[in-house]
Amino acid sequence: EAQVTQNPRYLITVTGKKLTVTCSQNMNHEYMSWYRQDPGLGLRQIYYSMNVEVTDKGDVPEGYKVSRKEKRNFPLILESPSPNQTSLYFCASSPGQGRSYNSPLHFGNGTRLTVT
Amino acid sequence: AQTVTQSQPEMSVQEAETVTLSCTYDTSESDYYLFWYKQPPSRQMILVIRQEAYKQQNATENRFSVNFQKAAKSFSLKISDSQLGDAAMYFCAYRSVGGADGLTFGKGTHLIIQP
Repeated sequence: EAQVTQNPRYLITVTGKKLTVTCSQNMNHEYMSWYRQDPGLGLRQIYYSMNVEVTDKGDVPEGYKVSRKEKRNFPLILESPSPNQTSLYFCASSPGQGRSYNSPLHFGNGTRLTVT
Repeated sequence: AQTVTQSQPEMSVQEAETVTLSCTYDTSESDYYLFWYKQPPSRQMILVIRQEAYKQQNATENRFSVNFQKAAKSFSLKISDSQLGDAAMYFCAYRSVGGADGLTFGKGTHLIIQP
């Protein structure tokens, strides 16, 4: 089954404790991205990657890191989480290259992160 | 930068009736894509419908259709014969051709279906 898999689905942590949210897709997509969703703000892009070893900042990158060492994986790293990073996070992917970008994003099921 | 505006934070409709959700966007581009996503309480993001800006014909998917007015930069979603399962948050989204920036989302409209 074609899918984007995020783990964990729920995560509660404390301020300053490094964490990683994993994301993997099995559709051979070039493009992957991370979004955060906050009430009243919709979804905002954190980082994106157009292919292996190519990443770039989205609208709200502060406090986050990503890596793209393999095509299928795109982990989100919070080196020192703070309470304002409490949010619902989504990983998404789509085919890349030219008009293939008209393909909609395929989303994972989300990770609910709480930082106390 | 593009912006997407959904002016209705919440809408309510009786089951079996028709409801229209509004979306406007701002862009200087002539070629782009527009999407409506549905987010039920399960939190999944589910694609409802998409429209390519160079196509004049409005997209339709079963009970869901759009009214795409390119000159007015308007992209409304019409849901016919509303069902209880349509209750969800609905997000309008924009994507540039080339799409490196991913999707720009509106803030969402919470749709309530009254039985």
